[in-house]
Amino acid sequence: DAKTTQPPSMDCAEGRAANLPCNHSTISGNEYVYWYRQIHSQGPQYIIHGLKNNETNEMASLIITEDRKSSTLILPHATLRDTAVYYCIAPKPMNYGGSQGNLIFGKGTKLSVKP
Amino acid sequence: KAGVTQTPRYLIKTRGQQVTLSCSPISGHRSVSWYQQTPGQGLQFLFEYFSETQRNKGNFPGRFSGRQFSNSRSEMNVSTLELGDSALFLCASSRGTEAANTIYFGEGSWLTVV
Repeated sequence: DAKTTQPPSMDCAEGRAANLPCNHSTISGNEYVYWYRQIHSQGPQYIIHGLKNNETNEMASLIITEDRKSSTLILPHATLRDTAVYYCIAPKPMNYGGSQGNLIFGKGTKLSVKP
Repeated sequence: KAGVTQTPRYLIKTRGQQVTLSCSPISGHRSVSWYQQTPGQGLQFLFEYFSETQRNKGNFPGRFSGRQFSNSRSEMNVSTLELGDSALFLCASSRGTEAANTIYFGEGSWLTVV
């Protein structure tokens, strides 16, 4: 897995966009970037993933730099329920029947959305 | 579709006892992995199964074991429980068939050892 670096904490005002950065300068060409979040006492929730192109789904947008050394997760209109720890990971790709391997989550970014 | 289901959600055991946790993966997912999460250590990988075979194992003592059944459901067992085993145990599943292998987690089983 590529090593990822995230700021330990961030604040965001409710209704504003939350931009969470992640550095993955050692990422390999075939390693995807995944984002998860974990709300206290619950299992990690999948948000979005991408390889090269920017991605958007109903939860968030993912912007990946052209050199793929960093990415930003964007929550366009943060709500109080988005308060959580956000994890950026870049696991090695999996072949059929292969191993997911040891996903390394690190400490993530604790996002606090404030009213 | 139904997500990853873990049972039981909460349990309390006494030191020295053993515990079995169950995980039903998302339909069609053949890869199941287990993680332990504690405040001090974060998420730590226990083991992973694909088609009933253990594919990968983390750095945990032999008291921690698991298995996967032909329907991809999985169980993990912890024997001779210690106070330090108190944790959130998470199961995750994925198809296990493609490079972009999105992994989905269950809500976890909270184990308290007293």
